[in-house]
Amino acid sequence: KQEVTQIPAALSVPEGENLVLNCSFTDSAIYNLQWFRQDPGKGLTSLLLIQSSQREQTSGRLNASLDKSSGRSTLYIAASQPGDSATYLCAVTQTGANNLFFGTGTRLTVIP
Amino acid sequence: NAGVTQTPKFQVLKTGQSMTLQCAQDMNHEYMSWYRQDPGMGLRLIHYSVGAGITDQGEVPNGYNVSRSTTEDFPLRLLSAAPSQTSVYFCASSYNEGAAYEQYFGPGTRLTVT
Repeated sequence: KQEVTQIPAALSVPEGENLVLNCSFTDSAIYNLQWFRQDPGKGLTSLLLIQSSQREQTSGRLNASLDKSSGRSTLYIAASQPGDSATYLCAVTQTGANNLFFGTGTRLTVIP
Repeated sequence: NAGVTQTPKFQVLKTGQSMTLQCAQDMNHEYMSWYRQDPGMGLRLIHYSVGAGITDQGEVPNGYNVSRSTTEDFPLRLLSAAPSQTSVYFCASSYNEGAAYEQYFGPGTRLTVT
């Protein structure tokens, strides 16, 4: 069964710092990988979706990379802001499956 | 566009009671799904639907029922609530069948079973 791991579970950084969040998965037969943001008490917002044939995707200050063969993805956040404070979740869609497999998330706090 | 809406936001049930969690989307999405989120665990799929009249089980379907009579609505029924069903429930939808497209999530329903 696909297992998705996110390390660290929590991260605290000063405003302005660049940071990297990590996601690893055990089965490389994936269709795509998505990064989500979840604010406390709220739903999930999709940030970036990387197809298995792609190496990276960028949106504003966010850049996500995918190395399917090693089972890893990273989410890079440039020039962090207090408004970036949230939990970041990664999820993979396995080939032939109809559901997402989620990690437990990294809770990010950006200190002003 | 309201996106994906869920009602109620909060609910407290006694063991053995039944209830329906509502989910609706106004984006004409074919694919809809229900997840539960528990502390220390990733979101887990309960049931999903690839179109009106078609549903299937996910990873943790026991104790839950679904139906899909319209494209817009995908209610989740708890048949006889148990404390183990205390969780936050999220409904999601996407443009095409399968989970391979960008998923849109609702705000969630926080359910407590006493």
